Parts: sequence; C-alpha cells; structure tokens
Amino acid sequence: NAGVMQNPRHLVRRRGQEARLRCSPMKGHSHVYWYRQLPEEGLKFMVYLQKENIIDESGMPKERFSAEFPKEGPSILRIQQVVRGDSAAYFCASSPGESETQYFGPGTRLLVL
Amino acid sequence: GQSLEQPSEVTAVEGAIVQINCTYQTSGFYGLSWYQQHDGGAPTFLSYNALDGLEETGRFSSFLSRSDSYGYLLLQELQMKDSASYFCAVSSNTGKLIFGQGTTLQVKP
Repeated sequence: NAGVMQNPRHLVRRRGQEARLRCSPMKGHSHVYWYRQLPEEGLKFMVYLQKENIIDESGMPKERFSAEFPKEGPSILRIQQVVRGDSAAYFCASSPGESETQYFGPGTRLLVL
Repeated sequence: GQSLEQPSEVTAVEGAIVQINCTYQTSGFYGLSWYQQHDGGAPTFLSYNALDGLEETGRFSSFLSRSDSYGYLLLQELQMKDSASYFCAVSSNTGKLIFGQGTTLQVKP
C-alpha cells in the first residue's frame, strides 16, 4: 500500500511565476491536509479538504493561494505570483476520516529566486 | 489563541531514557499526537493519546493529562538513529493538527 505521494519533490520558481504542488493521498483516504514548514520551525496548517470540498481553509493566505481536491486525481495546492517568502517545505497529509491519524508525504521544497 | 510549548533541544547518550514534554493551550482539543522528523523529511507518526494515561509502543511511550494540558513522549534505550526532531501536535475539532515548534534530540555515543 503506497504512502502519501507528493510531486515534485523540489520546485524552483522565479518571483511572479506560478507554483503547482500535487498530492496523492494513501489508498482509501479521502481527507487531505496541507501544511507549510519554514526552516527550524514546526508545521503550520494551511487547508483541509475532502473530495470536491474545502472543509477548513483558515490557515491559507487570502491572496495568491488556492487548493482543490477534485473527484478524480490528486489534490493541488496552487500559489500564484510567488514571492521569496513563499520559499518553504509544503507537506501534504491524508487520513481515512476526520480527526483520525494523519500520514504525511515527503513534501515539496519550493525555492523562489 | 492556540499554542504548544516544548523544549527546543535535548541531548542524551545511547542507551539512556529521555522525556520530551509538551504543554498546550488550545480550544476544541481532541487528542495529542507525536511525530518524528529526520532532517526535514516526512514527519512520521509515533503515537496518539485521546484519553489520560500512558500509551506504549515498543521503545516509545506517550502520556497525556488533559486536566493539566500536558503530555510527554518517552524514548527508552536510545539509539543513534533516534537523533531527529520531535513534534507534539494537538488535534482540533475540525481535524487539523496544530504543531509545536519541535524538539531537536541529539543522541551521543
């Protein structure tokens, strides 16, 4: 049973470009969470999605950031017009149900030049 | 607000026992989880406490006291490979995890 998969593992963008991060949850998991981690810090919650629904986006910046989890395919975290402050590791986690154990993917390291 | 506090660094020797404490102040508390992270890699789930008491999983144990808003992770028979960052995280009523800043554990020979 494959774990949570994320791609790309590393992404380099110039200021003003768009970044698209993908996450495929574990088989049988319908709950997806995105977290951001800056160096030497803990993970910060961004958004919680179920298939075709955003459940909680309280941690997501109001501008430039969006997330989706379509009926078919991976969850996508999209960052438009990236700035240097967006450089971080972005982790996706999945769980079989709400408030159940979350299992994390390997992360996408975004570097904005 | 919501906050978790844990020590920033802990050092111990191989074979020893170490305890990493975590105090929290949150709303909508459902449980306390512990994750291990090596060098910025994927956080790995270690343990979860929803009720007061001790949960044991091999060399790792975790304790929770809801009345004291306090928990700890206990690592026994330390090995070099246990050198990593350890995060406590509170599960909220909306499903999201709220993480502490992490404790860097260094195991020395």
